[in-house]
Amino acid sequence: GAVVSQHPSWVICKSGTSVKIECRSLDFQATTMFWYRQFPKQSLMLMATSNEGSKATYEQGVEKDKFLINHASLTLSTLTVTSAHPEDSSFYICSARETGGRETQYFGPGTRLLVL
Amino acid sequence: GENVEQHPSTLSVQEGDSAVIKCTYSDSASNYFPWYKQELGKGPQLIIDIRSNVGEKKDQRIAVTLNKTAKHFSLHITETQPEDSAVYFCAASRGTQGGSEKLVFGKGTKLTVNP
Repeated sequence: GAVVSQHPSWVICKSGTSVKIECRSLDFQATTMFWYRQFPKQSLMLMATSNEGSKATYEQGVEKDKFLINHASLTLSTLTVTSAHPEDSSFYICSARETGGRETQYFGPGTRLLVL
Repeated sequence: GENVEQHPSTLSVQEGDSAVIKCTYSDSASNYFPWYKQELGKGPQLIIDIRSNVGEKKDQRIAVTLNKTAKHFSLHITETQPEDSAVYFCAASRGTQGGSEKLVFGKGTKLTVNP
């Protein structure tokens, strides 16, 4: 149980294009999902907290117009990196907390983004 | 805000030995402390967690201890195996009851278990 998937697992795009990453909770409903970013050999940094049916809450320093988050259902949240640049290349990981459950976060497998 | 320090950054042990990773936190309101294992190129996997109402929790070869007074918690892995080799992250949050479920992570410990 408590499986979270991400799609795609990796993506290469040209500078200036937009990329959408999906995060799905497969066997549970998740009112709250989280998006993290991880650079090589570094820790996870929270980008934003996504709540179903409402606007995401972004961490300080994260541009909400660049990283668009949509949490339209209890099992799906999407992160769109708009006008991507090489410095956006990173490992993006989502996590989900079960609706009505405790604070345990279950993580997806991550999406590796390379912007050329 | 919360700050989590994790030590050591790298740890190398012989198969069968024990490994201990330690974390300290700064926010006295934190009450949820999970540990994650991350293999190369994969997402973090929850291996054990502890809440502030207990001091120790064990699951087979893995145990976590919590000292709320000193604001530190530790991960103990006994009888290590090569497949335990990975990066381990500790984290802390105030939890759903504490008003913020945001996880703040330590910088990670790369554990290598030598056969």
